[in-house]
Amino acid sequence: NAGVTQTPKFQVLKTGQSMTLQCAQDMNHNSMYWYRQDPGMGLRLIYYSASEGTTDKGEVPNGYNVSRLNKREFSLRLESAAPSQTSVYFCASSDEGAGVFTQPQHFGDGTRLSIL
Amino acid sequence: RKEVEQDPGPFNVPEGATVAFNCTYSNSASQSFFWYRQDCRKEPKLLMSVYSSGNEDGRFTAQLNRASQYISLLIRDSKLSDSATYLCVVNLPGYNKLIFGAGTRLAVHP
Repeated sequence: NAGVTQTPKFQVLKTGQSMTLQCAQDMNHNSMYWYRQDPGMGLRLIYYSASEGTTDKGEVPNGYNVSRLNKREFSLRLESAAPSQTSVYFCASSDEGAGVFTQPQHFGDGTRLSIL
Repeated sequence: RKEVEQDPGPFNVPEGATVAFNCTYSNSASQSFFWYRQDCRKEPKLLMSVYSSGNEDGRFTAQLNRASQYISLLIRDSKLSDSATYLCVVNLPGYNKLIFGAGTRLAVHP
């Protein structure tokens, strides 16, 4: 029962390099999310995908792109990494909400990314 | 005003103590509320949902006050293993999205 799986768990990049963070969920959830978490700060939404084939910007999308490859997989790409993107990145998924109610999200164990 | 505000703490309490955290939210139209727990350098994990009438799960009790737009979490008989950061989470009305507070840190000592 894997839940949400993120790869890699750790990565060190040099400024200007690119990389893709992978996320897959096996709970048949429609919605998926990418967050970043910096020390002393809450989770900030980068991008989300309400359903397969759709993606939308969150609070801090600049410098990132996403792909919802299929219902299971949602990847986050840094095209030209900058030191300001050093952070812990979490992927999450959730069922669709019902009416005015939103379902809780389930998180992967994170990718710790350092950009030098 | 932040959408979800929490006292960052830390709350330092002895084992066996009762401790309570509050959280305020700004959007009166929010309908879904949760408490998450996050251990150091780990992912957030759902602790409990918060229902309008209040709800309890073992040593944990959650309350919602819609009039004052705050949510509370009460932990009774604190254990060392309760040491963590507790995140208050509120939905963004009209979207399948959640807003996470920055968290309240709890440290339980022997």
